[in-house]
Amino acid sequence: GIQVEQSPPDLILQEGANSTLRCNFSDSVNNLQWFHQNPWGQLINLFYIPSGTKQNGRLSATTVATERYSLLYISSSQTTDSGVYFCAVEVPSGTYKYIFGTGTRLKVLA
Amino acid sequence: DVKVTQSSRYLVKRTGEKVFLECVQDMDHENMFWYRQDPGLGLRLIYFSYDVKMKEKGDIPEGYSVSREKKERFSLILESASTNQTSMYLCASSLFTYEQYFGPGTRLTVT
Repeated sequence: GIQVEQSPPDLILQEGANSTLRCNFSDSVNNLQWFHQNPWGQLINLFYIPSGTKQNGRLSATTVATERYSLLYISSSQTTDSGVYFCAVEVPSGTYKYIFGTGTRLKVLA
Repeated sequence: DVKVTQSSRYLVKRTGEKVFLECVQDMDHENMFWYRQDPGLGLRLIYFSYDVKMKEKGDIPEGYSVSREKKERFSLILESASTNQTSMYLCASSLFTYEQYFGPGTRLTVT
């Protein structure tokens, strides 16, 4: 099956720093999503980005489907950005199944 | 905004009990999903449903069953809870092949 790898597994930043999170996937996918899991466990949708680039405030994402990776950029990080970031890819099997990466745990220090 | 709700945030059950976890979405989505999340293992799909009364096994269906009698409601059933089912359970819904939306999660402890 499709493998989804995220890097780095852990990241510690000072408030105000920028960061790039990476998601690699081993085969063609239909769709890709980025989520932020807050300290209470809620998964919050960040981007639905099967290809191209999107921006939402301080966050942006780029997916290069032909090269099988996606990047999440966080600029001017804030302590509220702390948590775990997951990418998830939809398996092209017609069943709408998503496979999740193991996440990047981000801690932003004040 | 899409809203997905789950019946409990925290639940403690005894080994052997029958456990029901309920999920409700308010956006008329066709697809609904149940995942469990464990440290070091990420999110794993238990079951999903693409229509009323339709269900498909995910990657780890053993020990679980599901029910979808109405479009907005998807229930996960642990027929006889065991300690290895202690986990965070997350429900999600989506409209066809579009983005998934998650509920707040239920943290289940089986003692």
